[in-house]
Amino acid sequence: GENVEQHPSTLSVQEGDSAVIKCTYSDSASNYFPWYKQELGKRPQLIIDIRSNVGEKKDQRIAVTLNKTAKHFSLHITETQPEDSAVYFCAASVGGATNKLIFGTGTLLAVQP
Amino acid sequence: DTGVSQDPRHKITKRGQNVTFRCDPISEHNRLYWYRQTLGQGPEFLTYFQNEAQLEKSRLLSDRFSAERPKGSFSTLEIQRTEQGDSAMYLCASSSRSDTQYFGPGTRLTVL
Repeated sequence: GENVEQHPSTLSVQEGDSAVIKCTYSDSASNYFPWYKQELGKRPQLIIDIRSNVGEKKDQRIAVTLNKTAKHFSLHITETQPEDSAVYFCAASVGGATNKLIFGTGTLLAVQP
Repeated sequence: DTGVSQDPRHKITKRGQNVTFRCDPISEHNRLYWYRQTLGQGPEFLTYFQNEAQLEKSRLLSDRFSAERPKGSFSTLEIQRTEQGDSAMYLCASSSRSDTQYFGPGTRLTVL
């Protein structure tokens, strides 16, 4: 069935360093890949997304890359700040009309000041 | 606030009771999704509405769960005869014709 694997499950970096989170997906029909940030007790918030016709997208300190051949995509955060600390989820749309999302298991990012 | 809203934010109930949650999507969003999230996991898809039509239900959704979206606006999710395993955060998301899904704050259900 459809599956999204996400690594690492926890990531600790020093303020100012870069953080990279990687995901792989199984459904070759997936064509939309969002990343959500979720702070404790709050709703998942979309931070960046990429569609299958694009290999890379950047928004200030955040970038996402997509390798459709390998079925994997990554989130890159540069110049990390303490307020980047949260759980990050990758997701992939499942082929079909619903566009339901299959989520990874999350990465707890801790940025040490 | 023009985002997705959910009510109630927290619900504590005893095993065997019925509960109902409400989701108000972003105005004019015709797509509405329900997900369930347990501690330490990503959201899991439960069901999908396009306007008032329920077009897909997950195998996770037992017969005790029912969802509606009358008139294609707000949606309700009802759980009958709740079990302790139903304890989770129930998230609603909405989208327009684009892929982007915007999530509500969720309803945290605790079944005692």
